[in-house]
Amino acid sequence: QLQLQESGPGLVKPSETLSLTCTISGGSISSSSYYGGWIRQPPGKGLEWIGSVYYSGDTYYNPSLKSRITISIDTSKHLFSLKLSSVTAADTAVYYCVRGFYDYSGERPQNQFDCWGQGALVTVSS
Amino acid sequence: QTVVTQEPSFSVSPGGTVTLTCGLSSGSVSSSYYPSWYQQTPGQAPRTLIYSTNTRSSGVPDRFSGSILGNKAALTITGAQADDESDYYCVLYMGSGIWVFGGGTKLTVL
Repeated sequence: QLQLQESGPGLVKPSETLSLTCTISGGSISSSSYYGGWIRQPPGKGLEWIGSVYYSGDTYYNPSLKSRITISIDTSKHLFSLKLSSVTAADTAVYYCVRGFYDYSGERPQNQFDCWGQGALVTVSS
Repeated sequence: QTVVTQEPSFSVSPGGTVTLTCGLSSGSVSSSYYPSWYQQTPGQAPRTLIYSTNTRSSGVPDRFSGSILGNKAALTITGAQADDESDYYCVLYMGSGIWVFGGGTKLTVL
């Protein structure tokens, strides 16, 4: 059974860098059809896509966060990571990692987040 | 920047039918945006209901259905139940690896 698990510090000081890792078990991200993604949700607010990293290493970021984000992948270790620099209280959120899958061949092309982690609360506070 | 629009709130009677929509601040939603729908209850991770416009995720009851209605993606719940009371989010693929979530709809069943 595919599972994703976020890990990293739950408390980060303002101006520092938030670092999270997503470990995949029971499945793979080691295919050109898969990608890893990060999504966050501030307390009481909606979901925000942060960015994605593909098997190839290509990355795509939310334009509003692009200058502060780095997402990387280690397919041999079945994990991918998020770094968000210069954090402020506005970055306090539950951070979810997701596995994405796309297939544009055939009669029913698809692109979706096919598995979510349980989420990790990261609080930015001194 | 493109904004994905959803109704902030909606209510439905038990057993009733409700259609939630997902639109664009500019332009029309089509299947090329691979719209997905998620259900979220407090303290839980989102649960995928529908992906790629109208494909139900594994284990999702067939009273949840997705479609394109006019210029928007739509999620229809037929025969609403009390435990359908949740927040519902849509997300659209903008191309070039970019996704944008809607602001979510809070559905009340009463």
